[in-house]
Amino acid sequence: GENVEQHPSTLSVQEGDSAVIKCTYSDSASNYFPWYKQELGKGPQLIIDIRSNVGEKKDQRIAVTLNKTAKHFSLHITETQPEDSAVYFCAARGGTGGFKTIFGAGTRLFVKA
Amino acid sequence: NAGVTQTPKFQVLKTGQSMTLQCAQDMNHNSMYWYRQDPGMGLRLIYYSASEGTTDKGEVPNGYNVSRLNKREFSLRLESAAPSQTSVYFCASQTSRGQGNEQFFGPGTRLTVL
Repeated sequence: GENVEQHPSTLSVQEGDSAVIKCTYSDSASNYFPWYKQELGKGPQLIIDIRSNVGEKKDQRIAVTLNKTAKHFSLHITETQPEDSAVYFCAARGGTGGFKTIFGAGTRLFVKA
Repeated sequence: NAGVTQTPKFQVLKTGQSMTLQCAQDMNHNSMYWYRQDPGMGLRLIYYSASEGTTDKGEVPNGYNVSRLNKREFSLRLESAAPSQTSVYFCASQTSRGQGNEQFFGPGTRLTVL
């Protein structure tokens, strides 16, 4: 079945710097890759997603890139702010798993003011 | 719209006790899911319901049962709780079985089994 690996597990950046979180997936047939942000004591919330027919997507300060050949996708946050501090999860869906979503282990991002 | 609601928010059980976690969504979504979240392991799918009247096992179904009571409600039952089931449980819903649709998550239930 699908396996999603996420790195790093913890990331600390200075306010205003950029943050990059990387994920790899194993099922080449996966075709939907969402990113979720989870704040303390809350459920995950979708922040951006990308489909397999697109290489890059941007929404204000966040962007996601997808390399299907390498089975690799990344989240980029520019001009980080303290409110960006949270746990971020990548995920993959589709392929042999159908509509099941497989999540990475998460990255805890700290943005220091 | 309240979105996805879960009850209770917190629960402490003794080994061997049973309980049911409740989940409801008011977005008229077809699909509903139960996940557990453990430190360093992301979210793992326990059971899901693609539509009213159907349920299927996910990655980690052992020790759990589910009921899709109607389109709005999807409950998760622990018949005989074990310490290994200490976790945070999230319910989620999605518009359809389509592969490119957002899942909406509830606030979670933090369960401790002693």
